[in-house]
Parts: sequence; structure tokens; C-alpha cells
Amino acid sequence: DTGVSQDPRHKITKRGQNVTFRCDPISEHNRLYWYRQTLGQGPEFLTYFQNEAQLEKSRLLSDRFSAERPKGSFSTLEIQRTEQGDSAMYLCASRQQGALGNTIYFGEGSWLTVV
Amino acid sequence: EDQVTQSPEALRLQEGESSSLNCSYTVSGLRGLFWYRQDPGKGPEFLFTLYSAGEEKEKERLKATLTKKESFLHITAPKPEDSATYLCAVQAEDQGAQKLVFGQGTRLTINP
Repeated sequence: DTGVSQDPRHKITKRGQNVTFRCDPISEHNRLYWYRQTLGQGPEFLTYFQNEAQLEKSRLLSDRFSAERPKGSFSTLEIQRTEQGDSAMYLCASRQQGALGNTIYFGEGSWLTVV
Repeated sequence: EDQVTQSPEALRLQEGESSSLNCSYTVSGLRGLFWYRQDPGKGPEFLFTLYSAGEEKEKERLKATLTKKESFLHITAPKPEDSATYLCAVQAEDQGAQKLVFGQGTRLTINP
């Protein structure tokens, strides 16, 4: 499968615990995005990487959230001290800078339930 | 602030009954308008990108059109497998990240 891969697909955690999600973008895609989606809503932008540099963060990304892309390939999104309001699907997406069509491709998402 | 509004929120059709979904947008300068399909519990699946008013694109039973203020996704003779949530998103010219701003989606159900 050469699409965007996310792991785990589902995570149930207790309030206050830390969770980490991993994203492997499409090979050679240098731009990587994280979005969050709650039920009945469209995805909302969280943050963006170009290669290993994190170039933009949404105000939705509180201090409890941190994202990394250490070698410009895979990325991780960590949520510390989870709260019930963090329950959502976390989507990773990637695109190739300058690619024809300018298409952003999404992974299958990581569902987080905070109990 | 860039905004996308989709209507209706939900649409139920009989198999073979054609209809259209609407996406109204306000953006400082449009780089592209995107349509995605999303099945329950899965990530959005890319359908179309439109770049300028008057542009049209087709794929099987779907056709997307674009004006300066809105886009339509026309569904011709739909089948039950077309049931999904359809998401519209815009990408603004002045956004360095070229991030997408999404609408809330239209949940389409096709009854056999």
C-alpha cells in the first residue's frame, strides 16, 4: 500500500494519560499535515511540516499537543494529559510540493476516545 | 477569514434520482477547491480539484463545477454505493502552508 499510513487506528485512553499517533506519508511527499475531525464536522487544520520543519500551527494546537517529523519522513503527534474534549479522529495527510494537481492525500485516521 | 458552507447537511435519494450538493465559499484568493468523499470511520478520499470559475470535472456519476462563489457536485443516477459524506474544501492563495479549510460535509444516502 503506497498511501498515507496511520497507527494506531483506534485508541481508548483514560483522562490524564498521554497518547502518541504515528503517520507515514506517501513516499517522497515533503509536506505533511495533521487535522482533527469530530463527528458531523469537517476536518480542522492542526499543523504542517515541510520536510522536518514545523512551519505552521493552528491555535487549536494547545500546549498539550506536540508534533514532530525528525527526519522529514514519518511524523508523530503526541497529546499529553488527555481530556475528554480531545476525543476525535486525528487525520494525517501529505502532498508533494510542486506536484501537478496540488492534491493533498489523507490517511485512514486514528480514532481517539478519552474516557 | 476563509469559510466554507455546505448544503444540505443531509440528503436522502432513491437509487437513480439525480441531485446536486452545494458548497459556498469565501476566500481571499482561491488557489483550489477540492471535493472529497468520506465513508464512515475512514479518511477523506480525493475526488476532484477545481482551480478557476467555469471549470468542470467528471468521474463516473459525479460532476463538479465551480463559480466565483460556489461549487456544485452533481450526482447523476446514483447507486447505493455512492452513499457517503461529501466534503468540500478550499485552499487560499495567501496561505503559506496551503492548508485546506473544510465545510461540515453533506451526508448522502442512496436508498435501493
